[in-house]
Amino acid sequence: QQQVKQSPQSLIVQKGGISIINCAYENTAFDYFPWYQQFPGKGPALLIAIRPDVSEKKEGRFTISFNKSAKQFSLHIMDSQPGDSATYFCAASKGSARQLTFGSGTQLTVLP
Amino acid sequence: KAGVTQTPRYLIKTRGQQVTLSCSPISGHRSVSWYQQTPGQGLQFLFEYFSETQRNKGNFPGRFSGRQFSNSRSEMNVSTLELGDSALYLCASSLDPGAGELFFGEGSRLTVL
Repeated sequence: QQQVKQSPQSLIVQKGGISIINCAYENTAFDYFPWYQQFPGKGPALLIAIRPDVSEKKEGRFTISFNKSAKQFSLHIMDSQPGDSATYFCAASKGSARQLTFGSGTQLTVLP
Repeated sequence: KAGVTQTPRYLIKTRGQQVTLSCSPISGHRSVSWYQQTPGQGLQFLFEYFSETQRNKGNFPGRFSGRQFSNSRSEMNVSTLELGDSALYLCASSLDPGAGELFFGEGSRLTVL
């Protein structure tokens, strides 16, 4: 049973545009929601993470919006750049465990 | 500060063989986790180790095993390899279980023929 559903599977955005990736989770025990960025041939790298006690967190051009009642969270990339072209994964975990449940990934392409 | 180091980076095995993958965490990190990444199943948690003890295990058959040494280095082993075990195996480390960011290595790409 997939516990974290991610959409879209792929996304093409023009340089300077806003990229939006959405995730929905089922397990209400999840209390840690990170986003990872992965370039080809590399391991995932943490971009930004949020806990359910806040509805939004911003770090530079990256913002997580969190809707606890809807069990949804999203990543917004403002002023998208060609260098942002990568695969993005949302994830969730509960308690103190680092057993992350990942979404299926979104391949982002930012056109110059 | 060196990142998470995984060896070997690439390897090819045949069905029925076994394989051992190695992971050296970031200096000072005591928790190591392993993930399997495939195009079909995505990123899936294998297991987590802390203080040489397995803390959590994902939904994988017993052919998948691991261990952690006193210096926090970790190994995972897959016995009786199957074609479906072809994947990128990622190791991640963190300071402590449940504390802070997970730092991933570049992975070991296993191909089973």
